Amino acid sequence: DTAVSQTPKYLVTQMGNDKSIKCEQNLGHDTMYWYKQDSKKFLKIMFSYNNKELIINETVPNRFSPKSPDKAHLNLHINSLELGDSAVYFCASSLQGQAYEQYFGPGTRLTVT
Amino acid sequence: AQSVAQPEDQVNVAEGNPLTVKCTYSVSGNPYLFWYVQYPNRGLQFLLKYITGDNLVKGSYGFEAEFNKSQTSFHLKKPSALVSDSALYFCAVRDNTGGFKTIFGAGTRLFVKA
Repeated sequence: DTAVSQTPKYLVTQMGNDKSIKCEQNLGHDTMYWYKQDSKKFLKIMFSYNNKELIINETVPNRFSPKSPDKAHLNLHINSLELGDSAVYFCASSLQGQAYEQYFGPGTRLTVT
Repeated sequence: AQSVAQPEDQVNVAEGNPLTVKCTYSVSGNPYLFWYVQYPNRGLQFLLKYITGDNLVKGSYGFEAEFNKSQTSFHLKKPSALVSDSALYFCAVRDNTGGFKTIFGAGTRLFVKA
């Protein structure tokens, strides 16, 4: 009964490859997010979807493409992976609105060699 | 623009002593403030939030935070630290523009010594 789950947990791949990370939440939330946490633990928003609509799209290379097939799922596809993409990627979800806290998945550690 | 500052990279405290993790913020309009904790190799967990009302907010695991509007601070506190509180703590502010982006501080590592 995991609230926010991500697959895979670890992803090791070579430069130039394309990979996807999947996220699912069973909390009934209508808003989902992707965050990137770098090696210094700094956390930055990448994308946010509300009811399958993209509402936050930060300055992220267009090699990154999110997709939300329904309110409970948010996937992240990355094309032409680069060394600098190595990080931990977190999915999160919340109810819509400023007052609501976010619930985070366990993270996907991406290593690009 | 909204911003959050956590002035300490690390806080060291002895078990049983009170702890404080500092956070200051800058927002336009009413602040929506949050504290999250991250244990090693885990996702962030919500601790507590300030939306409105009482300046002293109580949260999970015995933590509380004090909202101070004049000092634009939202410090996290606990009366008696446990070794198991050792973790990375993030203060966050919710943007009040469209999308309600969450802006996180850089994090403060809390180390509680037995």
